[in-house]
Amino acid sequence: DAKTTQPPSMDCAEGRAANLPCNHSTISGNEYVYWYRQIHSQGPQYIIHGLKNNETNEMASLIITEDRKSSTLILPHATLRDTAVYYCIVRDAGGTSYGKLTFGQGTILTVHP
Amino acid sequence: GAVVSQHPSRVICKSGTSVKIECRSLDFQATTMFWYRQFPKQSLMLMATSNEGSKATYEQGVEKDKFLINHASLTLSTLTVTSAHPEDSSFYICSARGHTFQHFGDGTRLSIL
Repeated sequence: DAKTTQPPSMDCAEGRAANLPCNHSTISGNEYVYWYRQIHSQGPQYIIHGLKNNETNEMASLIITEDRKSSTLILPHATLRDTAVYYCIVRDAGGTSYGKLTFGQGTILTVHP
Repeated sequence: GAVVSQHPSRVICKSGTSVKIECRSLDFQATTMFWYRQFPKQSLMLMATSNEGSKATYEQGVEKDKFLINHASLTLSTLTVTSAHPEDSSFYICSARGHTFQHFGDGTRLSIL
């Protein structure tokens, strides 16, 4: 699976949009971009995923560049409960590694009042 | 939505004890489950892939005789840490592969005295 690069930490004011970037310059055509987050002492929580089109759900929006080499997760109105480690993961859609997720160091997002 | 239940949430036991952790998919059948380990201030590391009715596939460096995995049904996988020692103290997290993404349990914090 392709490697991802994320900033180690980011801050955001409560109520503002949080934009978390992720670089995945070696992504291949059949690899999806997944975002998970992990709140302290809990298991990771799925947020959103996409292949090449932008995606939106009740939690967040995912913007993928046209060349697919980078993406941005957007939390439109961050709250204190959004403070967590956010992981951007590129995952093969098939093959022998199907389903395996390789977690990097992620971005520690701190939302402050 | 889909839920993965992990039990127990916390275990404290003496060195040399064997500890079993259960991972259940509550409202869907999971032919594949995954076991991760997370040390303090580090990311999740995949230990093994558990397939229902067959032997688990272990990642490089993970001792299969130390970490016994059983996936006897479509809703239950167990991880047994045999003869646990203090260096096995960690946060163990399971996940189940759903239709489009993995669902994670809330983890088991294992402390070996």
